[in-house]
Formats: sequence, structure tokens, C-alpha cells
Amino acid sequence: KNQVEQSPQSLIILEGKNCTLQCNYTVSPFSNLRWYKQDTGRGPVSLTIMTFSENTKSNGRYTATLDADTKQSSLHITASQLSDSASYICVVSDRGSTLGRLYFGRGTQLTVWP
Amino acid sequence: EADIYQTPRYLVIGTGKKITLECSQTMGHDKMYWYQQDPGMELHLIHYSYGVNSTEKGDLSSESTVSRIRTEHFPLTLESARPSHTSQYLCASSEQDLGGFYEQYFGPGTRLTVT
Repeated sequence: KNQVEQSPQSLIILEGKNCTLQCNYTVSPFSNLRWYKQDTGRGPVSLTIMTFSENTKSNGRYTATLDADTKQSSLHITASQLSDSASYICVVSDRGSTLGRLYFGRGTQLTVWP
Repeated sequence: EADIYQTPRYLVIGTGKKITLECSQTMGHDKMYWYQQDPGMELHLIHYSYGVNSTEKGDLSSESTVSRIRTEHFPLTLESARPSHTSQYLCASSEQDLGGFYEQYFGPGTRLTVT
């Protein structure tokens, strides 16, 4: 069964600290993995997209890693800011259909305290 | 900033009412989607469209219906709202995919509450 599991479910950190969010997936065949940021009451916004040949990609203070062999990904946030408080969703796409099906994780709810 | 819009943003309505959630995009994308998301849960695809006059049901069974008469417009309708329909509804659009590698842009969502 194609699944995307994220951990931790929630995380609280102090402003300025770093953190790492985890994503494990069983989606096959694999096409690409994305990380989205979803602010409360808003739609998800894409942070990074990685194919199986990429093992790291950065977007400002966000750095995503991918290990296609172990089917794991992480999102590292450096020097956190209050505006980083949001849900971070891991999404995996397969190559099994013309739709390019997306499988969504439940997200990690990050809270950054001053 | 993605040019995809949803109205209303919030809706509280009584049981049995008919409602239509609006979604419009100005990017000329062929593909559009409707997702349902409950708090703390993953997004579930309920409808999608490849283009004008194309509509398909998603993975999550839904009593809602959709139409695609114009490329930019993809409304979702509930003929008779029930409390079980209370949820957040997210609309998205994307360019024609190249084997699954495409960017999906999401609207801000409609938070529906049925009393």
C-alpha cells in the first residue's frame, strides 16, 4: 500500500534554533518527492521538489534531503523564525498513471516560540 | 504567488442547503483538482479534471459534484449539505504533467461548516 508517514506529528522550538522533520514513504514506482508548507487556514505552498537522482535541494533556510534507497526524506530548517510556524507536508508522486498521483502525509505541525 | 482563487473562504450553512464552492485560476492550466482536508489529517483527492468537459472522481468518495465548462473555472456543488460535509476544501491546478513531474498550485481553501 502506498503510504507517506511523517514524524514528529508536532514540534515546538525556540526562535533561532534549527530543526529536522522526517518523512518515510512506501510509494512505488517513485517519481518525485515534494515538501509543502501550509499556514493555518491557507493552501499548501511548495518548498522543494526532488527526483530520485537528487539527494539534496535547498530553498533559502529550508534544505531537503532524499535517500531513494531507504525511501526517506528530511526537511531541515535553519535559524527558525516565527513565520516558520506552520504544517509541513511531505508529498510523494508515483509514475503509475498519467495523472501522476500524489500521496500526502499528515504533516508535522511546527510551532516557533519567541 | 499562485493565481488561484476560492470563494467563499468561510461558509456556515444549515443542513439540507445546496451550496457551490467556487474555484478559478488565471494561469491557463489544463488540470484542476479538489481536495478535502480535515484538521491534522492528510489531503484527500475528491475530484479532478484534465480539461474542459473532463471530470473524474478521486480516491475519496464524495457526494459532491463538479463541472468544467471553462478552463479557468472548476466549481464544486453539494446538492444537500450535511454535518458530515464539514471540512476544508482545497482547489488546485497544474500544467500538463510530464510523467508526474509538475507543480501543483493550491488555492487558499474554503472552510465549510454544516450545522
